[in-house]
Amino acid sequence: DVKVTQSSRYLVKRTGEKVFLECVQDMDHENMFWYRQDPGLGLRLIYFSYDVKMKEKGDIPEGYSVSREKKERFSLILESASTNQTSMYLCASSLYGASYGYTFGSGTRLTVV
Amino acid sequence: ELKVEQNPLFLSMQEGKNYTIYCNYSTTSDRLYWYRQDPGKSLESLFVLLSNGAVKQEGRLMASLDTKARLSTLHITAAVHDLSATYFCADSNTGNQFYFGTGTSLTVIP
Repeated sequence: DVKVTQSSRYLVKRTGEKVFLECVQDMDHENMFWYRQDPGLGLRLIYFSYDVKMKEKGDIPEGYSVSREKKERFSLILESASTNQTSMYLCASSLYGASYGYTFGSGTRLTVV
Repeated sequence: ELKVEQNPLFLSMQEGKNYTIYCNYSTTSDRLYWYRQDPGKSLESLFVLLSNGAVKQEGRLMASLDTKARLSTLHITAAVHDLSATYFCADSNTGNQFYFGTGTSLTVIP
């Protein structure tokens, strides 16, 4: 089975801190994605990547950046955390063409205080 | 603008009853995905529907796809408490980037 591992299950950070959320997949998937999930808003795409060193903005990229230096790892960076970035963050990966859908990580619940 | 709309958003049903969740999407995609999310957990893939008329069943859940109507349904038969969760449908017009509905929160009550 494909595994998508997110480094932290729960995180508490202070306003203004730089925050790194890490995601690693072990099945050589080309595509990787970062979503945030908020009550009543569903899943919203922040950034995605189709290949190493490639990145594309999703629907809500403001306040975030990403890094993909290796195929298996996709990092989400909050340059200066704010309270409105308190959310559940979900990483996903898929093969190109995504015929079998995404595989999601277990999620990181980030609280910014 | 690509849209995926689910209804109902909230569903409370008695054990043993049947119900259907609807998913309308706006692209010309011929593929549709269903996911389940338990409280505080991540999303788990349920069904992948890859062509018009596709029907898939797993236990008490059955999903179907009508690409002409741009409609997918998730039918629940004889609901049991273990099915309580949030169900998401997702569409992809390219096969690479998915667009999710807002989810249907299902509660099965005794």
